[in-house]
Order: sequence, then structure tokens, then C-alpha cells
Amino acid sequence: SAVISQKPSRDICQRGTSLTIQCQVDSQVTMMFWYRQQPGQSLTLIATANQGSEATYESGFVIDKFPISRPNLTFSTLTVSNMSPEDSSIYLCSVEGGVEETQYFGPGTRLLVL
Amino acid sequence: DAKTTQPTSMDCAEGRAANLPCNHSTISGNEYVYWYRQIHSQGPQYIIHGLKNNETNEMASLIITEDRKSSTLILPHATLRDTAVYYCIVGSSNYKLTFGKGTLLTVNP
Repeated sequence: SAVISQKPSRDICQRGTSLTIQCQVDSQVTMMFWYRQQPGQSLTLIATANQGSEATYESGFVIDKFPISRPNLTFSTLTVSNMSPEDSSIYLCSVEGGVEETQYFGPGTRLLVL
Repeated sequence: DAKTTQPTSMDCAEGRAANLPCNHSTISGNEYVYWYRQIHSQGPQYIIHGLKNNETNEMASLIITEDRKSSTLILPHATLRDTAVYYCIVGSSNYKLTFGKGTLLTVNP
């Protein structure tokens, strides 16, 4: 199974600022995913990030608000731009599990925007 | 992807089997049933998945009805650490999971 770490684990930010969340996996993977979990809600897929190509965003999410980088097969970043209190959520990255047909999730980044 | 219906919450006594139902009446032929769980303050954890045959692994068993319109996740001997939200997800690919609200399973001592 893949081991995934995220930085920061939590942060408190002021509105109007931006935060970049890092996701590191201990093995090379083709597909990485970013999810958002708003308070008391389930997970919503933000985008899929494949190395060497532009991220693919789901309906309701745009690159200007959530720019994503995928510089190599073990790392990705998600930036939450121009934050507002509505962006307060847990942000999770996950990776595809290859032949095991699973997804492995990171521990999440807890973001509070004041 | 097909939608799923799960009870909002369930209770189970420690040491007993926990049976979590899921309805997916609109499932199509190429769609799998996936189960994940999320323990409080952690990322979701994969449990098991299946297409039409029953499946078993070290964590749980998955029973899928013959018409594939419903399934049951079985935790054979629930422990306190199994208290979590359990998500039943139906999809043709594990690479685009649509999470519903899931079932909050509370295992009581």
C-alpha cells in the first residue's frame, strides 16, 4: 500500500490569502487526486492530476481558484487561492493503487479561513 | 455513476458482526461496488470492492445480491476501532469516486 503525507496538517489563514498544500507519496504513481471535505459533509473530488499533463477539474472547480502542480510521479501541490471562510474544509489527496484497484488517501489538511 | 442509498447510522455491539446495507438499484453491468470507511479526523480507507461475486479479505466480506441491486458489507467481529463512517460507492472506475453521506457505524462496548 502507498504511504501518503500532507503538509501542512492544519492551518488557520486570513481571507484573501493563498495556501499551498503539499502531497508526497512513497512510490511512483500516475494518478493523484485532490478532494475537499466541507464541515459535516462528504468528500467531493476537485481534480485529477497526472504527471506531465494539465489537471482535470470537476464541475464547480476552476484552475484559477485551485491551481495544481504535478512536477513528478511522487509529488503534487494544491493551492487554495484568494481564500474566503467558505474555503474552510479538509483537503485530501489520494493516489491510485494500481492493480489493486484502490485509492489510498492522505491524512488531510485542515484549513480554517477567518 | 449509479447512486447509492445507505442508512444514516447504525449501532453494533463489540464482538458482534456488523452488517451494513447499501442499495444501488440503478447499477449498470460494468460498475463495481466499492466500500471505504473514514475514521474521525482521518482520510478514507479502502475496505473492499466487487463486481458480482462475493468477496472477502482480511477486513471484511462483501455480499452482492444476484441482481446486483444491493449489497452488504460485513465486519465479522466489530471492535471499537471500527467506529467510522462507511461509504458504499458504485462506479465503473475506482479513479473517479463519488462519495455519498455514508453510514455512521458506532460500535458500543
